[in-house]
Amino acid sequence: NAGVTQTPKFQVLKTGQSMTLQCAQDMNHEYMSWYRQDPGMGLRLIHYSVGAGITDQGEVPNGYNVSRSTTEDFPLRLLSAAPSQTSVYFCASSLSTRGLLGTEAFFGQGTRLTVV
Amino acid sequence: AQSVTQLDSQVPVFEEAPVELRCNYSSSVSVYLFWYVQYPNQGLQLLLKYLSGSTLVKGINGFEAEFNKSQTSFHLRKPSVHISDTAEYFCAVSDYQGGSEKLVFGKGTKLTVNP
Repeated sequence: NAGVTQTPKFQVLKTGQSMTLQCAQDMNHEYMSWYRQDPGMGLRLIHYSVGAGITDQGEVPNGYNVSRSTTEDFPLRLLSAAPSQTSVYFCASSLSTRGLLGTEAFFGQGTRLTVV
Repeated sequence: AQSVTQLDSQVPVFEEAPVELRCNYSSSVSVYLFWYVQYPNQGLQLLLKYLSGSTLVKGINGFEAEFNKSQTSFHLRKPSVHISDTAEYFCAVSDYQGGSEKLVFGKGTKLTVNP
């Protein structure tokens, strides 16, 4: 039972490079989200999706793009990496958020990204 | 928008001692609250959640939390901690806006259990 799988686990980028962080879930969850975790800041929502073809911005969306072409996958794209994007990124999924509140979020193991 | 405040960024405690990690939320008519735990170099996993009903919620690994509406608090407690409880703990609240629910996290409390 894989749950939420994130790849890669570690990545080093040079300023200005672009890359895609992959996230896949096998639980048929409608809702998926991306967070970044920085020391002393907790987890901050970057983007989220309530279903295939539907995405929206969270608290800190600048510099990131997302798309949701399938229920299973929710990749996060860094368009032009900056040192301020050095962080640990977590993908999460939950069953549904439309009319079903308080559902548990399942998290991936995280991607540790360093931008030099 | 909903928010949570975790009052302590670090809590050191000795093994077998009791512990309380404090969390306050912004007031609302109805609220859904969660505690998540993050062990070193891992993702987050759910400890417990409050949706409605009994104000004392029991979770995994012997943790429990009490929902207090008058004090807008949701403190996490364990009567006797183990070394293996060393982790970062996050309080979260459900924020329902624009037709979808988002989890809003506190800044976290690092619990260190010393022998």
